Amino acid sequence: GAVVSQHPSWVICKSGTSVKIECRSLDFQATTMFWYRQFPKQSLMLMATSNEGSKATYEQGVEKDKFLINHASLTLSTLTVTSAHPEDSSFYICSARDGEPYEQYFGPGTRLTVT
Amino acid sequence: GQNIDQPTEMTATEGAIVQINCTYQTSGFNGLFWYQQHAGEAPTFLSYNVLDGLEEKGRFSSFLSRSKGYSYLLLKELQMKDSASYLCAVMDSNYQLIWGAGTKLIIKP
Repeated sequence: GAVVSQHPSWVICKSGTSVKIECRSLDFQATTMFWYRQFPKQSLMLMATSNEGSKATYEQGVEKDKFLINHASLTLSTLTVTSAHPEDSSFYICSARDGEPYEQYFGPGTRLTVT
Repeated sequence: GQNIDQPTEMTATEGAIVQINCTYQTSGFNGLFWYQQHAGEAPTFLSYNVLDGLEEKGRFSSFLSRSKGYSYLLLKELQMKDSASYLCAVMDSNYQLIWGAGTKLIIKP
């Protein structure tokens, strides 16, 4: 089946530094990738949608200059949290779609803690 | 606006049956999904309904009524490992998933 990986699975960083999270589709080409954020005991919040080779579309309220998304190839998308602050601590999950709109495959998530 | 409603928390007994309801109001409809999410993990796909009726898959079944904007997830023969959050999500006319807040299911022995 379709597998999506994320790296790292968890990361601790100091306030003010930047963190890059990778999302890879291992056995299919992901034409579209989604980035979600989930705070404790809350549901998934879509941050942005990215299509390979084009700029990401950010949801309202998500700062595109703070959360940089690059979808340079059909198997890799990256999310960079720039100048991270403790309030950015969250569970970040990516998902990927291979063209079929009805199927979305989730990565295992990355837990970010900013101290 | 778009809205997905589901109960915040439910409790059930091991071996029993539980039904988790979901009502929705969205801009267009391209299907309804149920996902299971264990604490600290990403969601895993359970079911997809786009036509009215019941879809059965082992111990889990999902029902959809498009005219009522309503779905439920039915879990039979509950096991302790079924303790998790269950997320209802609707795909809107732009093929974007609109997520409910999730229902935390607690299974007691």
